[in-house]
Amino acid sequence: ILNVEQSPQSLHVQEGDSTNFTCSFPSSNFYALHWYRWETAKSPEALFVMTLNGDEKKKGRISATLNTKEGYSYLYIKGSQPEDSATYLCAFIRAGNNRKLIWGLGTSLAVNP
Amino acid sequence: GAVVSQHPSWVICKSGTSVKIECRSLDFQATTMFWYRQFPKQSLMLMATSNEGSKATYEQGVEKDKFLINHASLTLSTLTVTSAHPEDSSFYICSATLSQETQYFGPGTRLLVL
Repeated sequence: ILNVEQSPQSLHVQEGDSTNFTCSFPSSNFYALHWYRWETAKSPEALFVMTLNGDEKKKGRISATLNTKEGYSYLYIKGSQPEDSATYLCAFIRAGNNRKLIWGLGTSLAVNP
Repeated sequence: GAVVSQHPSWVICKSGTSVKIECRSLDFQATTMFWYRQFPKQSLMLMATSNEGSKATYEQGVEKDKFLINHASLTLSTLTVTSAHPEDSSFYICSATLSQETQYFGPGTRLLVL
């Protein structure tokens, strides 16, 4: 059984705070890790596709790191804004598994103005 | 770019009826489309992978005769829930991909079977 765990389950922060959350995945047979941002009533939006151990990717105030040897990825948001409120999902692809995404349950972030 | 639409956004139907959900890639041709289902408090679960012009590949435990997938063109895939029952009530969401990486998602369809 492949498990993708995300923590915390939910998070409430004040506007301006920086925050981070974790995605844990099986460290064997790694192919790729995806991060998505999902606002209520909208389509999930792709943030990052990470493939190499030690990868660090950045998109505006959001960045992510990847450690494939120990099986975790961190997502960081610097200076959170109310519009960052969403559920952040990670999904793992195992090598040889035909691009099948195995999803975590997500971290629900609420940024209070 | 890379917009995927899904229709309808929600549907309520009587038990025993069939429901068709459409997934369209609006501004690109999708080589592959995926159908997912999400039950409350659970993660997205892949139901099937669909390539244009060929039969869909279903995940273990997903009945292909109950969840009919048609991928007739590079921009349209449909999922038909046949003879829907209350236990089929769920959130169904599709995605489309250009290459082997990013999947672009539709907004999803919430199905309630009475």
